[in-house]
Order: sequence, then C-alpha cells, then structure tokens
Amino acid sequence: GENVEQHPSTLSVQEGDSAVIKCTYSDSASNYFPWYKQELGKRPQLIIDIRSNVGEKKDQRIAVTLNKTAKHFSLHITETQPEDSAVYFCAASRAYKYIFGTGTRLKVLA
Amino acid sequence: EAGVTQFPSHSVIEKGQTVTLRCDPISGHDNLYWYRRVMGKEIKFLLHFVKESKQDESGMPNNRFLAERTGGTYSTLKVQPAELEDSGVYFCASSQDHGTEAFFGQGTRLTVV
Repeated sequence: GENVEQHPSTLSVQEGDSAVIKCTYSDSASNYFPWYKQELGKRPQLIIDIRSNVGEKKDQRIAVTLNKTAKHFSLHITETQPEDSAVYFCAASRAYKYIFGTGTRLKVLA
Repeated sequence: EAGVTQFPSHSVIEKGQTVTLRCDPISGHDNLYWYRRVMGKEIKFLLHFVKESKQDESGMPNNRFLAERTGGTYSTLKVQPAELEDSGVYFCASSQDHGTEAFFGQGTRLTVV
C-alpha cells in the first residue's frame, strides 16, 4: 500500500546549525508534498510545500527538495532557532489523500 | 477567517462507551478529512468528504466508527462502542480544492480507559 517513511524520528541540533529531515514515498503518482509543523499542544500547520513539477523550493530559512526519480523529498532548515523546536510531518499526496510520515521531533538547543 | 475547529479538545471515556467528535471546517471548504494519530505513529487517513458525500472511507478502522457530514457543513465522527486501541488524537482538516493546502484543526485527544 501507500506509505511514507520519515527519518530521523528525533533530531537535536545546536542553535544556528542546520537540520535536515528526509522522507521517502511509495506511490509514484504522488504529486504534492506538504510539510507540517506541530508545536506542543497546537495544530499541525503547513510550513512549506512542493509540487512534482519542481525540484526545489525555498522560503527564507526553510527549503524543500524533491527527487521524483528516487521518490525522496527533504526539508532543510538553516540557522535553526529555539522556536523551530516542534514535530515535523512530511506527507505525499495525489488527489485528496495525504499519506503522512511518522514525524520528526526536532529540538534546537540554545 | 476562522480556522478549523474541533470539539471537544479532550475526551476520556470508558471502554464500551460512545463518543462523538465534531469538526467545523473553514467556511466554503468542500473537502473535509478525518485523520488519527496514535502515540508515536504517523497521522493516518481515516476518510474524506466532498460536501456531504463520502469520497473515500478506506482508512476507517472498522464498523465501530461512523462519520457523517449532514448538509455538507460540520462533520461528526462517532465511535461506538469505544475500545482501548481507539485512543489517540483525532484531527480534522479541510481544503478548498484537491491538491491544495489542508488546514488542520487542533485535534481531539481521545483516551479510552
């Protein structure tokens, strides 16, 4: 069936360092890849997304890359700050259904 | 613009009881989704409504779960009778069109004891 693998499950970085979270999807028909950030006690919120017709997208300190051939996509956060600490979920979608990864708990150490 | 709202935020019930979760999507969003996250695992798809019609309920665990969206506005998810493994956080999301951003509610944390 459809699935998305996400790694690592936890990630600790020093403030100012970069963080990378990687996802692999199985459904080659997936064409939309959102990333959600969930802070403690809050709802998941979209932070960046990418469609299958582009390979990379940036928004300030956040970037996402997509390799359709390998069915990999990654989230890159540069110059991490304490407020980046949260659980991050990747998802792969075609049409309406999101298949989520298991989440990565990112801790940014001050 | 009001976001997706879910009620209640927390629910603790005994095994065998019934619980009904409610979701109010963003006004004008035809697409409504229910997801569930069990401790430490992925956010798993349960079902999808377009307006009042169920488009895909392939993720519903079993027939103890019943979702409705009468009138195509708010949706309810009923669990009857609840079992211990039903514990988790139930998220509702809505979107305007397929393949666009899904906005999530804050979730309902269900604990079955």
